[in-house]
Amino acid sequence: EVQLVESGGGLVQPGGSLKLSCAASGFTFSGSAMHWVRQASGKGLEWVGRIRSKANNYATAYVASVKGRFTISRDDSKNTAYLQMNSLKTEDTAVYYCTRHQDDSRTFDLWGRGTLVIVSS
Amino acid sequence: QTVVTQEPSLTVSPGGTVTLTCASSTGAVTSGYYPNWFQQKPGQAPRALIYSTSSKHSWTPARFSGSLLGGKAALTLSGVQPEDEAEYYCLLYYGGVRVFGGGTKLTVL
Repeated sequence: EVQLVESGGGLVQPGGSLKLSCAASGFTFSGSAMHWVRQASGKGLEWVGRIRSKANNYATAYVASVKGRFTISRDDSKNTAYLQMNSLKTEDTAVYYCTRHQDDSRTFDLWGRGTLVIVSS
Repeated sequence: QTVVTQEPSLTVSPGGTVTLTCASSTGAVTSGYYPNWFQQKPGQAPRALIYSTSSKHSWTPARFSGSLLGGKAALTLSGVQPEDEAEYYCLLYYGGVRVFGGGTKLTVL
């Protein structure tokens, strides 16, 4: 089955760290760009960042609000993408989705169900 | 900071037609922004509907169409069904960065 499954969410204190995982199955993960999108409760979608494939030098990009705090990586041998979140703030509280990006058609055609991150003391 | 603007809410009658729009703070939206549209229902992940302005996924119902209209990206629903009640988000490409619009809550009443 073609799917993405996020994990690693939970409760963390402000200033803390958390690492999310996105496990892919059913497709050629190594050739796909992977993006992270978040959504605070009752709010809209916010693009967080992306990592491209090896063929595109694993290039990363981030939204300004997380640059320097969040890092996206991938392990193609494990078909998994990661979102390392450091120096977490209360405003980072959200459901975090990973999504596959098709570089040729420029679309996000596959989404996970999301994992909830709560930053609170 | 780039802002993408959508109508906060719209209401349409079943069987009617409605157009949602997506504007960029940087100026007119063109095909080079590769407009995408997503549908999200409560408790669910977003679902892609339209990409590259007007292209449809295999699962996109025929009543959904995308276009450029008056300097904005547009999503038109023709023959609206009750199950189309949802939040709709556009997304624009700004080089390596993507920006979502704030979403349009579509009510079918």
